Amino acid sequence: GENVEQHPSTLSVQEGDSAVIKCTYSDSASNYFPWYKQELGKRPQLIIDIRSNVGEKKDQRIAVTLNKTAKHFSLHITETQPEDSAVYFCAAGGNAGNMLTFGGGTRLMVKP
Amino acid sequence: EAQVTQNPRYLITVTGKKLTVTCSQNMNHEYMSWYRQDPGLGLRQIYYSMNVEVTDKGDVPEGYKVSRKEKRNFPLILESPSPNQTSLYFCASTGARTGELFFGEGSRLTVL
Repeated sequence: GENVEQHPSTLSVQEGDSAVIKCTYSDSASNYFPWYKQELGKRPQLIIDIRSNVGEKKDQRIAVTLNKTAKHFSLHITETQPEDSAVYFCAAGGNAGNMLTFGGGTRLMVKP
Repeated sequence: EAQVTQNPRYLITVTGKKLTVTCSQNMNHEYMSWYRQDPGLGLRQIYYSMNVEVTDKGDVPEGYKVSRKEKRNFPLILESPSPNQTSLYFCASTGARTGELFFGEGSRLTVL
């Protein structure tokens, strides 16, 4: 089955700096790569996703890049703000959310 | 309002006492699943269901049962809970063609 590794497990940045979280996956058949944000005490929520037919996708301050050859994908957050502090999960799997394998999560702390 | 509802949100029980965590969604989603969240391990899938009367094991199914008699409901059953099932549990649903998983608010279970 699919195996997803996520690094780093914790990340601390100053407000305004950029943050990068990286994930690798094992199954070359995976073609859907979402990212979820989980604020303290809340449920995970989708923030951005990418499918294997594109290499990069942006949504305001967040972007995701995908390298299918190397089987890795990354989340980039620019101009970080305190409200970006949360746990972020990457995932990999089929076209829909039903066959996803999640990474172990990254706790991002943005210091004011 | 589109939502996934889980109950109970918090539960403390003792080893061996059967319990059920209910999950209901109002989005007419075909796919529903259960995850457990443990520190450093991310979200691990317990069971999933592609539609009514169709269920299958995820990555960590031992000690759990599920049923899908109606499209909107997907209860998680712990027949004989053990302390290693102490965890935070999330129910999620998604449509057949979409990627986004909609999570419930979570159920924090403690087994003494």
